Amino acid sequence: DTAVSQTPKYLVTQMGNDKSIKCEQNLGHDTMYWYKQDSKKFLKIMFSYNNKELIINETVPNRFSPKSPDKAHLNLHINSLELGDSAVYFCASSQDITAGNTIYFGEGSWLTVV
Amino acid sequence: TQLLEQSPQFLSIQEGENLTVYCNSSSVFSSLQWYRQEPGEGPVLLVTVVTGGEVKKLKRLTFQFGDARKDSSLHITAAQPGDTGLYLCAGETFSGYALNFGKGTSLLVTP
Repeated sequence: DTAVSQTPKYLVTQMGNDKSIKCEQNLGHDTMYWYKQDSKKFLKIMFSYNNKELIINETVPNRFSPKSPDKAHLNLHINSLELGDSAVYFCASSQDITAGNTIYFGEGSWLTVV
Repeated sequence: TQLLEQSPQFLSIQEGENLTVYCNSSSVFSSLQWYRQEPGEGPVLLVTVVTGGEVKKLKRLTFQFGDARKDSSLHITAAQPGDTGLYLCAGETFSGYALNFGKGTSLLVTP
Protein backbone atom coordinates (compact mmCIF):
# COMPACT_ATOMS: atom_id res chain seq x y z
CA ASP A 1 0.00 0.00 0.00
CA THR A 2 1.27 3.44 -0.89
CA ALA A 3 1.82 5.54 2.22
CA VAL A 4 1.42 8.94 0.57
CA SER A 5 -0.46 8.92 -2.69
CA GLN A 6 -1.15 11.86 -4.93
CA THR A 7 -3.11 12.22 -8.13
CA PRO A 8 -2.72 12.91 -10.92
CA LYS A 9 0.89 11.91 -11.53
CA TYR A 10 1.03 13.84 -14.79
CA LEU A 11 -0.94 16.91 -15.72
CA VAL A 12 -0.62 18.99 -18.86
CA THR A 13 -2.85 22.02 -19.05
CA GLN A 14 -3.15 25.40 -20.71
CA MET A 15 -2.37 28.76 -19.17
CA GLY A 16 -5.31 30.27 -17.35
CA ASN A 17 -6.89 26.98 -16.38
CA ASP A 18 -7.69 25.91 -12.83
CA LYS A 19 -6.49 22.51 -11.63
CA SER A 20 -6.33 20.46 -8.46
CA ILE A 21 -3.91 17.87 -7.14
CA LYS A 22 -5.17 15.47 -4.50
CA CYS A 23 -3.15 13.86 -1.75
CA GLU A 24 -3.92 11.19 0.80
CA GLN A 25 -1.79 9.53 3.47
CA ASN A 26 -2.63 6.29 5.23
CA LEU A 27 0.07 6.54 7.89
CA GLY A 28 -2.08 8.14 10.56
CA HIS A 29 0.14 11.21 10.56
CA ASP A 30 -0.92 14.56 11.95
CA THR A 31 1.12 16.77 9.61
CA MET A 32 0.98 17.12 5.85
CA TYR A 33 2.94 19.27 3.41
CA TRP A 34 3.10 20.48 -0.14
CA TYR A 35 6.53 20.98 -1.66
CA LYS A 36 7.41 22.31 -5.11
CA GLN A 37 10.46 21.02 -6.98
CA ASP A 38 11.58 23.20 -9.86
CA SER A 39 13.50 22.24 -12.99
CA LYS A 40 16.77 22.60 -11.11
CA LYS A 41 15.59 20.06 -8.53
CA PHE A 42 15.25 22.64 -5.77
CA LEU A 43 12.65 21.42 -3.31
CA LYS A 44 10.82 24.21 -1.50
CA ILE A 45 8.10 24.08 1.12
CA MET A 46 4.81 25.67 0.12
CA PHE A 47 2.34 24.76 2.84
CA SER A 48 2.12 22.69 5.97
CA TYR A 49 -0.96 21.57 7.85
CA ASN A 50 -1.07 20.07 11.32
CA ASN A 51 -4.33 18.45 12.35
CA LYS A 52 -6.10 20.21 9.48
CA GLU A 53 -4.80 23.62 10.53
CA LEU A 54 -2.48 25.68 8.37
CA ILE A 55 0.84 26.23 10.15
CA ILE A 56 3.17 27.15 7.31
CA ASN A 57 2.30 29.33 4.36
CA GLU A 58 5.43 30.33 2.55
CA THR A 59 5.55 33.10 0.00
CA VAL A 60 3.29 31.44 -2.50
CA PRO A 61 0.94 33.27 -4.88
CA ASN A 62 -2.62 33.28 -3.58
CA ARG A 63 -3.60 31.43 -6.75
CA PHE A 64 -2.48 28.38 -4.77
CA SER A 65 -5.00 27.29 -2.18
CA PRO A 66 -4.54 24.18 -0.05
CA LYS A 67 -7.49 22.44 1.53
CA SER A 68 -7.42 19.81 4.24
CA PRO A 69 -10.83 18.18 4.71
CA ASP A 70 -9.37 15.82 7.31
CA LYS A 71 -5.98 14.79 8.69
CA ALA A 72 -5.45 12.21 5.97
CA HIS A 73 -6.00 14.53 3.03
CA LEU A 74 -4.36 17.70 1.78
CA ASN A 75 -5.39 18.89 -1.66
CA LEU A 76 -3.83 21.67 -3.67
CA HIS A 77 -5.92 23.86 -5.95
CA ILE A 78 -4.28 26.21 -8.39
CA ASN A 79 -6.18 28.99 -10.14
CA SER A 80 -5.23 30.78 -13.34
CA LEU A 81 -2.23 28.61 -14.08
CA GLU A 82 0.90 30.30 -15.40
CA LEU A 83 3.88 28.94 -17.32
CA GLY A 84 6.07 29.38 -14.23
CA ASP A 85 3.87 26.99 -12.29
CA SER A 86 5.31 24.10 -14.28
CA ALA A 87 7.11 21.92 -11.76
CA VAL A 88 6.83 18.73 -9.78
CA TYR A 89 4.59 19.06 -6.75
CA PHE A 90 5.22 16.69 -3.87
CA CYS A 91 2.81 15.94 -1.11
CA ALA A 92 4.35 14.67 2.12
CA SER A 93 3.46 13.78 5.66
CA SER A 94 5.11 13.34 9.04
CA GLN A 95 3.97 12.04 12.41
CA ASP A 96 3.71 15.54 13.81
CA ILE A 97 5.65 18.80 13.81
CA THR A 98 8.30 17.59 16.26
CA ALA A 99 11.84 18.26 15.05
CA GLY A 100 13.63 15.38 13.44
CA ASN A 101 10.56 13.53 12.23
CA THR A 102 10.83 11.55 9.05
CA ILE A 103 8.97 13.13 6.18
CA TYR A 104 7.36 10.67 3.80
CA PHE A 105 6.95 11.93 0.29
CA GLY A 106 4.51 10.95 -2.39
CA GLU A 107 5.73 10.15 -5.88
CA GLY A 108 5.09 13.65 -7.15
CA SER A 109 2.72 15.27 -9.62
CA TRP A 110 4.34 16.54 -12.81
CA LEU A 111 2.53 19.72 -13.83
CA THR A 112 3.23 21.20 -17.24
CA VAL A 113 1.56 24.45 -18.19
CA VAL A 114 1.55 25.23 -21.91
CA THR B 1 16.87 32.79 0.94
CA GLN B 2 18.84 29.60 0.39
CA LEU B 3 19.74 28.28 3.82
CA LEU B 4 21.65 25.20 2.73
CA GLU B 5 24.35 25.01 0.10
CA GLN B 6 25.31 21.63 -1.27
CA SER B 7 28.45 20.77 -3.17
CA PRO B 8 29.24 19.50 -5.63
CA GLN B 9 26.10 20.04 -7.64
CA PHE B 10 26.96 17.21 -10.04
CA LEU B 11 29.26 14.25 -9.59
CA SER B 12 30.05 11.50 -12.06
CA ILE B 13 32.33 8.71 -10.89
CA GLN B 14 33.16 5.12 -11.65
CA GLU B 15 32.09 2.15 -9.63
CA GLY B 16 34.39 1.53 -6.70
CA GLU B 17 35.43 5.13 -6.13
CA ASN B 18 34.82 7.04 -2.93
CA LEU B 19 33.06 10.40 -2.74
CA THR B 20 31.99 13.05 -0.29
CA VAL B 21 29.05 15.42 -0.58
CA TYR B 22 28.93 18.55 1.54
CA CYS B 23 26.03 20.50 2.99
CA ASN B 24 26.84 23.90 4.46
CA SER B 25 24.94 26.72 6.08
CA SER B 26 25.39 29.78 8.24
CA SER B 27 22.31 28.74 10.21
CA VAL B 28 22.18 26.38 13.16
CA PHE B 29 19.86 23.44 12.79
CA SER B 30 18.04 21.42 15.42
CA SER B 31 18.31 18.43 13.14
CA LEU B 32 19.58 17.63 9.69
CA GLN B 33 18.43 14.93 7.35
CA TRP B 34 19.73 13.37 4.19
CA TYR B 35 17.37 12.13 1.52
CA ARG B 36 17.91 10.30 -1.75
CA GLN B 37 15.63 10.85 -4.70
CA GLU B 38 15.52 8.60 -7.73
CA PRO B 39 14.06 9.70 -11.07
CA GLY B 40 10.28 9.75 -11.08
CA GLU B 41 10.00 9.29 -7.34
CA GLY B 42 9.83 11.33 -4.19
CA PRO B 43 12.75 11.76 -1.79
CA VAL B 44 13.35 8.96 0.70
CA LEU B 45 14.96 9.53 4.06
CA LEU B 46 18.42 8.05 4.58
CA VAL B 47 19.36 9.41 7.99
CA THR B 48 18.62 12.03 10.62
CA VAL B 49 21.38 13.58 12.71
CA VAL B 50 20.59 15.60 15.77
CA THR B 51 23.68 15.99 17.94
CA GLY B 52 26.65 18.16 16.97
CA GLY B 53 29.57 15.96 15.92
CA GLU B 54 27.31 12.96 15.46
CA VAL B 55 28.41 10.29 12.99
CA LYS B 56 26.02 7.72 11.60
CA LYS B 57 26.75 4.86 9.25
CA LEU B 58 24.38 3.17 6.86
CA LYS B 59 26.29 0.36 5.15
CA ARG B 60 28.74 2.16 2.84
CA LEU B 61 27.34 5.60 3.65
CA THR B 62 28.76 7.68 6.49
CA PHE B 63 27.00 10.83 7.62
CA GLN B 64 28.49 13.46 9.88
CA PHE B 65 26.87 16.46 11.54
CA GLY B 66 29.19 19.37 12.21
CA ASP B 67 30.08 20.25 15.78
CA ALA B 68 28.31 23.59 15.46
CA ARG B 69 25.28 21.98 13.78
CA LYS B 70 25.67 24.18 10.72
CA ASP B 71 27.00 21.65 8.25
CA SER B 72 27.02 18.01 7.34
CA SER B 73 28.75 15.60 5.02
CA LEU B 74 27.87 12.36 3.33
CA HIS B 75 30.69 9.99 2.41
CA ILE B 76 30.12 6.98 0.20
CA THR B 77 32.73 4.26 0.12
CA ALA B 78 33.17 2.06 -2.96
CA ALA B 79 30.26 3.60 -4.83
CA GLN B 80 28.00 1.32 -6.83
CA PRO B 81 25.66 2.06 -9.75
CA GLY B 82 22.74 1.59 -7.37
CA ASP B 83 23.91 4.68 -5.48
CA THR B 84 23.00 6.84 -8.47
CA GLY B 85 20.47 9.49 -7.58
CA LEU B 86 19.88 12.97 -6.23
CA TYR B 87 21.11 13.45 -2.68
CA LEU B 88 19.38 16.16 -0.71
CA CYS B 89 20.28 17.53 2.66
CA ALA B 90 17.53 19.17 4.67
CA GLY B 91 17.73 21.11 7.89
CA GLU B 92 15.16 22.03 10.46
CA THR B 93 15.78 25.28 12.32
CA PHE B 94 14.74 25.84 15.89
CA SER B 95 12.10 28.31 14.81
CA GLY B 96 10.50 26.42 11.96
CA TYR B 97 8.24 23.48 11.48
CA ALA B 98 9.39 22.46 8.03
CA LEU B 99 12.54 21.23 6.40
CA ASN B 100 14.68 23.57 4.34
CA PHE B 101 16.26 21.64 1.51
CA GLY B 102 19.55 22.16 -0.23
CA LYS B 103 19.61 22.16 -4.02
CA GLY B 104 20.90 18.63 -4.12
CA THR B 105 23.87 16.73 -5.47
CA SER B 106 23.19 14.65 -8.55
CA LEU B 107 25.36 11.54 -8.42
CA LEU B 108 26.01 9.21 -11.34
CA VAL B 109 27.97 6.02 -10.76
CA THR B 110 28.95 4.18 -13.91
CA PRO B 111 29.99 0.52 -14.05
